[in-house]
Amino acid sequence: AQSVTQLGSHVSVSEGALVLLRCNYSSSVPPYLFWYVQYPNQGLQLLLKYTSAATLVKGINGFEAEFKKSETSFHLTKPSAHMSDAAEYFCAVSGDNFNKFYFGSGTKLNVKP
Amino acid sequence: GAGVSQSPRYKVTKRGQDVTLRCDPISSHATLYWYQQALGQGPEFLTYFNYEAQPDKSGLPSDRFSAERPEGSISTLTIQRTEQRDSAMYRCASSLTGSGDTQYFGPGTRLTVL
Repeated sequence: AQSVTQLGSHVSVSEGALVLLRCNYSSSVPPYLFWYVQYPNQGLQLLLKYTSAATLVKGINGFEAEFKKSETSFHLTKPSAHMSDAAEYFCAVSGDNFNKFYFGSGTKLNVKP
Repeated sequence: GAGVSQSPRYKVTKRGQDVTLRCDPISSHATLYWYQQALGQGPEFLTYFNYEAQPDKSGLPSDRFSAERPEGSISTLTIQRTEQRDSAMYRCASSLTGSGDTQYFGPGTRLTVL
């Protein structure tokens, strides 16, 4: 079975600073990889996904993530944080049958003014 | 519909009661997923449907949990003889074709078992 590790349950950055949220997965087969964002009292919303095309994936709201097979990582970045980015972010990976998804435990991003 | 909807949004029940949660997916979507999300954790896969077929029930925690999608659209998740450990957010998602396709999530049902 897949496992997804998100390092850091809470990350705090200043407005305008770089955002880096880490995600590592366990698999020898490059799966599909996703980042979702959850705002308070809302459902999960897709930020971006990797499906074996370009290793650098651009998503909504200025976020991007780079798939590194050798490191089994899919870290999420944004050059300049906005107050509106404060939310919880989940990394997810598909299993071998591509219909079973595994989520990390989430990282809460706090943006300080 | 325009998005995935779930009902009820909140459910409080007493231990030992049965509960049924409902998910109405995006109308064109073939695949429907159920997840359980405990407080402070990410969603955990319970089961999924491809139309009315249910190929994978491996995530259901016990035989008290069951799900149906009899006509390939609306789905229900039923928990029999609820226990306090069943308290969680239950999320439904749908995707157009499955197989790694983007999942669109509903707002969830917050279940509290007293």
